[in-house]
Amino acid sequence: AQRVTQPEKLLSVFKGAPVELKCNYSYSGSPELFWYVQYSRQRLQLLLRHISRESIKGFTADLNKGETSFHLKKPFAQEEDSAMYYCALRHGSSNTGKLIFGQGTTLQVKP
Amino acid sequence: NAGVTQTPKFQVLKTGQSMTLQCAQDMNHNSMYWYRQDPGMGLRLIYYSASEGTTDKGEVPNGYNVSRLNKREFSLRLESAAPSQTSVYFCASLDLAGGTISYNEQFFGPGTRLTVL
Repeated sequence: AQRVTQPEKLLSVFKGAPVELKCNYSYSGSPELFWYVQYSRQRLQLLLRHISRESIKGFTADLNKGETSFHLKKPFAQEEDSAMYYCALRHGSSNTGKLIFGQGTTLQVKP
Repeated sequence: NAGVTQTPKFQVLKTGQSMTLQCAQDMNHNSMYWYRQDPGMGLRLIYYSASEGTTDKGEVPNGYNVSRLNKREFSLRLESAAPSQTSVYFCASLDLAGGTISYNEQFFGPGTRLTVL
């Protein structure tokens, strides 16, 4: 079964500390992985996608097919990074565009 | 462009009442989706419409119906609301036919917070 797991409900770090939000997936085909972010009182928005191999707001994520993981990392957390983060999966050859979301991790960056 | 809009923003219902959540997008996207967001559960797909004129069930369709009114609008109806349907509902759209899907992202609305008493 297709599944996305984010083991941490809450991750609390101090400003300037490194951050790693974990995401593991279960999927037999070639998935596409995404990270979405929801800041307080704002709508859900795409942060980054594995296929682009980009760094957005200092965040990076590498798809590790061997470990079936797509962890989100940032070397130095900022207070404005505080938000809810969702990892999501889409079938690589999807003709429906459906996403499967993880449970979400709240990142709290303390001053 | 307003992007994806949803109405209402908040709603309180009594058990057994019905209501329709409205969603519209002005990005000329082909595909639209309804999700519910619950603490500890993430976002779960209720129904989706891959293209105008088609609708399909998602992960949690029971108790809901949808209508793809036209390319812009996709409504979600609760015929007989239950407390278990207390949630935040998000609508999203995607340009499924626009170029390589891999680079296409879902755009989300601001959400509707529904409480069923």
